[in-house]
Amino acid sequence: GAVVSQHPSWVICKSGTSVKIECRSLDFQATTMFWYRQFPKQSLMLMATSNEGSKATYEQGVEKDKFLINHASLTLSTLTVTSAHPEDSSFYICSARWAGMRNEQYFGPGTRLTVT
Amino acid sequence: GENVEQHPSTLSVQEGDSAVIKCTYSDSASNYFPWYKQELGKGPQLIIDIRSNVGEKKDQRIAVTLNKTAKHFSLHITETQPEDSAVYFCAATRASYSGAGSYQLTFGKGTKLSVIP
Repeated sequence: GAVVSQHPSWVICKSGTSVKIECRSLDFQATTMFWYRQFPKQSLMLMATSNEGSKATYEQGVEKDKFLINHASLTLSTLTVTSAHPEDSSFYICSARWAGMRNEQYFGPGTRLTVT
Repeated sequence: GENVEQHPSTLSVQEGDSAVIKCTYSDSASNYFPWYKQELGKGPQLIIDIRSNVGEKKDQRIAVTLNKTAKHFSLHITETQPEDSAVYFCAATRASYSGAGSYQLTFGKGTKLSVIP
């Protein structure tokens, strides 16, 4: 099946610093990648949708200058949390699909971000 | 936009019994309904999905049913095992078979399933 990886799996950073999370599709070319945020015991909240080579489309309420998304290749998308604050601590998950998949999205294992 | 309601929020069953999780959706144009299993600290795993042109789909112990008229779909797990314990999410999206469409998933709030040995 389609495999999506994320790196790092967990990261701790100090308030005010930036952190980058990578999402890779390992065995398919991801024409579209999605970034989600999940708080404990809650559902997944879509943050943004990115198509390869295009600017990401952010959901209402998500600060695009704070959560920078780059989808520069068909196998890699990155999410950079800039000037992180403790309230940005969360579980960040990416998913990916390619145009050949009729509907399926495959999720990465997630990245646990803790801002101290 | 789409709204997906999921019930129950928690479900405990004895090992070997069946478990049923139900979801309703609001957008009659939604045509793809996946179910994901999420274990603690991991990403969601696609376990089964159904498209709007099908009423039922089965994969071993897991089945999904779809009632388009009533706009609801359900996950059925038979002969539950302790390893089935996890949080299950239903989702809905409007997808285009031509390849267009955003394919953005709207998720239910999840059901925590506990299978008691």
